[in-house]
Amino acid sequence: ETGVTQTPRHLVMGMTNKKSLKCEQHLGHNAMYWYKQSAKKPLELMFVYNFKEQTENNSVPSRFSPECPNSSHLFLHLHTLQPEDSALYLCASSQDTGSEQYFGPGTRLTVT
Amino acid sequence: GQSLEQPSEVTAVEGAIVQINCTYQTSGFYGLSWYQQHDGGAPTFLSYNALDGLEETGRFSSFLSRSDSYGYLLLQELQMKDSASYFCAVRLHGSGNTGKLIFGQGTTLQVKP
Repeated sequence: ETGVTQTPRHLVMGMTNKKSLKCEQHLGHNAMYWYKQSAKKPLELMFVYNFKEQTENNSVPSRFSPECPNSSHLFLHLHTLQPEDSALYLCASSQDTGSEQYFGPGTRLTVT
Repeated sequence: GQSLEQPSEVTAVEGAIVQINCTYQTSGFYGLSWYQQHDGGAPTFLSYNALDGLEETGRFSSFLSRSDSYGYLLLQELQMKDSASYFCAVRLHGSGNTGKLIFGQGTTLQVKP
């Protein structure tokens, strides 16, 4: 089974919609991450969770709300997004916060 | 602030050797990592240098020199499938930085026949 999965793979939403991105890892890792990848820009770390506890919020606007119910699942709840939020959203996991990170395939988000 | 600089594009021919450089400005970090990302795919881990020097993994090697604030990824015997984006990244020291990876903007490698 693929290590890190993300659903949906593609999402188009209006600025007034509410949607959620889902990430699941099957690697037994304890740390999970959300990244944003925009065209021509470096990957930007958004959130870090370690043993279900949020340890990093990289000054992310409140219209992005993460949730980590257990070490295997991570959600990103979206509401009242802006067109500039259109990007590839990548989830990653690692054994601990000092280990190499394994990425999921990403969700391509378009905000109209 | 912290930043990593990479060339935006590199082109090479099949069978050749190519070096992708990464220079950085950061106050302290644990090591330098390299990731590969094919178009439309997930970044995949390639290598990690915790110490200065050369690390070799098959056709790929990575180098770090902390005194020069510099590292590189060396790809040998290039194959068409090596066409992808390559990112360098550092893991930061310090409280509040647990798990925090800072990425370069990526280098797009195009391998030609």
